[in-house]
Amino acid sequence: KAGVTQTPRYLIKTRGQQVTLSCSPISGHRSVSWYQQTPGQGLQFLFEYFSETQRNKGNFPGRFSGRQFSNSRSEMNVSTLELGDSALYLCASSSQVGDEQFFGPGTRLTVL
Amino acid sequence: QKEVEQNSGPLSVPEGAIASLNCTYSDRGSQSFFWYRQYSGKSPELIMFIYSNGDKEDGRFTAQLNKASQYVSLLIRDSQPSDSATYLCAVIRDNFNKFYFGSGTKLNVKP
Repeated sequence: KAGVTQTPRYLIKTRGQQVTLSCSPISGHRSVSWYQQTPGQGLQFLFEYFSETQRNKGNFPGRFSGRQFSNSRSEMNVSTLELGDSALYLCASSSQVGDEQFFGPGTRLTVL
Repeated sequence: QKEVEQNSGPLSVPEGAIASLNCTYSDRGSQSFFWYRQYSGKSPELIMFIYSNGDKEDGRFTAQLNKASQYVSLLIRDSQPSDSATYLCAVIRDNFNKFYFGSGTKLNVKP
């Protein structure tokens, strides 16, 4: 069974731009979570989607948004990028909300 | 107070020794507990999960859960240099079904 895939793997943007990251969960998984990981803050929860509905949300500003499609694929968008948004963005999928999560390889975002 | 606390380390152990990694959590209602391993530059991978008090063994790994004391630990027997990584503890609070991750403990296994 194929694992979680994320695209793109690397991204360089400048301040003020916006970015869209994509995540395809493991086949059959309906829950997708997004995390931001930085050396100083560790893994921080962004949001979780299940059946196209946002089920949980972390403490991030409204510039961070996401959505999930009927095939369970998910996208997250960050608008008006700031230098502090440079991080590894990880997507994790699970069969149901509350089940063990499996991570994708991540998207490394650098904001210049 | 953080939901999940871990000592950041680094924890250094010699090859062949037992590595003991600990994690405490704040919410007594937490029901599900997970250990992830993350190599430098890679994404976290699930090692074990535990739901009930006591020990759960899987190969060289043993997870231990003590709900009364609100801690969960991971023992790695016969540690190998390839076990050198950061180990993340994660907890789900049933009310929210949301994962809370600790900041991770860096383990160094010296040959």
